[in-house]
Amino acid sequence: SQQGEEDPQALSIQEGENATMNCSYKTSINNLQWYRQNSGRGLVHLILIRSNEREKHSGRLRVTLDTSKKSSSLLITASRAADTASYFCATDRDDKIIFGKGTRLHILP
Amino acid sequence: DTGVSQDPRHKITKRGQNVTFRCDPISEHNRLYWYRQTLGQGPEFLTYFQNEAQLEKSRLLSDRFSAERPKGSFSTLEIQRTEQGDSAMYLCASSPHLTSGILYEQYFGPGTRLTVT
Repeated sequence: SQQGEEDPQALSIQEGENATMNCSYKTSINNLQWYRQNSGRGLVHLILIRSNEREKHSGRLRVTLDTSKKSSSLLITASRAADTASYFCATDRDDKIIFGKGTRLHILP
Repeated sequence: DTGVSQDPRHKITKRGQNVTFRCDPISEHNRLYWYRQTLGQGPEFLTYFQNEAQLEKSRLLSDRFSAERPKGSFSTLEIQRTEQGDSAMYLCASSPHLTSGILYEQYFGPGTRLTVT
């Protein structure tokens, strides 16, 4: 069964705009990770945030974590065509990570 | 290239045949995971190893599926008597496991796309 659920399921924005994706989960976690999957390619790890952290940055990525609401958000600033991909949140459960269904992001030229 | 590799990249087989996939993880990683992904879904956990020990197998995995990691390095996933419902992308990932209770980022291979006709 899936632990995390991303919202929205699909998102289209103009190049240069910011994109925000959300993830909600059900049970307590030790960490939450975000992954990207380009069409026809494998998953790539983007960022990991631990349960005692509230915000983390990596380049144009900003991740927040609110353990009281059991939610996380991924912000991509100044989007580029290459950001077109599916984005998955993954939470740890019983010594393994569980993925959500993902948000499909499409950057319009 | 020192990333995770999988072989073959694509496999087409007839229903009822057996197939075997191979995964070569990053050499220093002691954890190895197998996932299955269908269109529009996230990766679904199948099983994982720490070194050569298989620690967990998903309840969703029928007895037709078996995985091994004989020397704690590469792993194989075998599907016996394939069914059309087995058609999916099979992903392998590896990660270090340094401290009990803390999971680290996983490095994924490109996947093996299985089509059962």
